[in-house]
Amino acid sequence: GNSVTQMEGPVTLSEEAFLTINCTYTATGYPSLFWYVQYPGEGLQLLLKATKADDKGSNKGFEATYRKETTSFHLEKGSVQVSDSAVYFCALSLYNTNAGKSTFGDGTTLTVKP
Amino acid sequence: GAGVSQSPSNKVTEKGKDVELRCDPISGHTALYWYRQSLGQGLEFLIYFQGNSAPDKSGLPSDRFSAERTGGSVSTLTIQRTQQEDSAVYLCASSLGLLNEQFFGPGTRLTVL
Repeated sequence: GNSVTQMEGPVTLSEEAFLTINCTYTATGYPSLFWYVQYPGEGLQLLLKATKADDKGSNKGFEATYRKETTSFHLEKGSVQVSDSAVYFCALSLYNTNAGKSTFGDGTTLTVKP
Repeated sequence: GAGVSQSPSNKVTEKGKDVELRCDPISGHTALYWYRQSLGQGLEFLIYFQGNSAPDKSGLPSDRFSAERTGGSVSTLTIQRTQQEDSAVYLCASSLGLLNEQFFGPGTRLTVL
């Protein structure tokens, strides 16, 4: 079956530090990949996505590149802010007969300290 | 409404009782999804609808769980004979079509005493 493995948290960084949250996946095909974010007290929302190999998704200073050769979609940001403190979820969807069956990682909690 | 809405926002029930959770998707979204998020855990996929049809119900945790969607819009997740392990936040999401961005509702926090 399909699976998503995220770097375990929690992750604590100082403001302006570099962030990497690792995500690797297993899928029987070529999935679309997503990063969702859940800010404190809010619902999940899409942060960025990539639909094919070598695509780079980007939003709010965050980036992730779809690496088919390493089956990875690591999330990066060059300089984090306190407002980036949230839970980050990596996810995949596969275009097949069960395309709606999304798979999410367990989430990584990021805390950024001033 | 502009977003996905869910009701109730909180539900406390006694073990053995039935509960119904409701989801109103964004108008025009054909796909609808249910997830469960237990404390400190990731999202557990339960079921999705394309229109009113649910092609795969294998994600439902047990036969006490059922879901339906009518008119291509509102969906109801029903849990019969609730157990304490059913306590979690139940999230609903909708999207224009499968593989499109999913928009999540605020969730229903279910507590089974």
